[in-house]
Amino acid sequence: DVKVTQSSRYLVKRTGEKVFLECVQDMDHENMFWYRQDPGLGLRLIYFSYDVKMKEKGDIPEGYSVSREKKERFSLILESASTNQTSMYLCASSRTGTNEKLFFGSGTQLSVL
Amino acid sequence: GQNIDQPTEMTATEGAIVQINCTYQTSGFNGLFWYQQHAGEAPTFLSYNVLDGLEEKGRFSSFLSRSKGYSYLLLKELQMKDSASYLCAASNQAGTALIFGKGTTLSVSS
Repeated sequence: DVKVTQSSRYLVKRTGEKVFLECVQDMDHENMFWYRQDPGLGLRLIYFSYDVKMKEKGDIPEGYSVSREKKERFSLILESASTNQTSMYLCASSRTGTNEKLFFGSGTQLSVL
Repeated sequence: GQNIDQPTEMTATEGAIVQINCTYQTSGFNGLFWYQQHAGEAPTFLSYNVLDGLEEKGRFSSFLSRSKGYSYLLLKELQMKDSASYLCAASNQAGTALIFGKGTTLSVSS
């Protein structure tokens, strides 16, 4: 079964901490994405990557950075966590192409206190 | 710019038919996706339309009109397990990533 795995299901961090969210896919997909999902706002794209060491900003990149050192792994970094970054974070991957469907991980519910 | 609109909530009863509408405005259109998301779970792919018309897949069908910037998801013979959020998505301006609508929460009652 194909899989996108996010390292933590729930995470609690303090304001100002540096936070790493990890995502690994086993489908040899070129594209990987980070979204956050908030009630009433839906899924919003933070960053994506279409190749190793490549990254593109999504709609809400402020306060985040990403790292893609290996094809299967895409990390989201909160440099200095803030309470407004409390959210559900969803990682997804897809093959190269404009009509390829996304496969999502189970999500990480991050609470910043 | 880009914008995807869909109703926030809908209710229906078991066995009924429901239509969830989605309108979109995006200059990098490469097709329209529908995803289903049960509470506490990840979204899963339902359908993809790139040409005008209706695509049928069992109890679920999806329709697209490119000239009108309009799509709908049709669910027939509703079951309780169809209670979920339904997300409409289209390509961003550059055609490099999917942008999602805010989702329609469907509640199916007996």
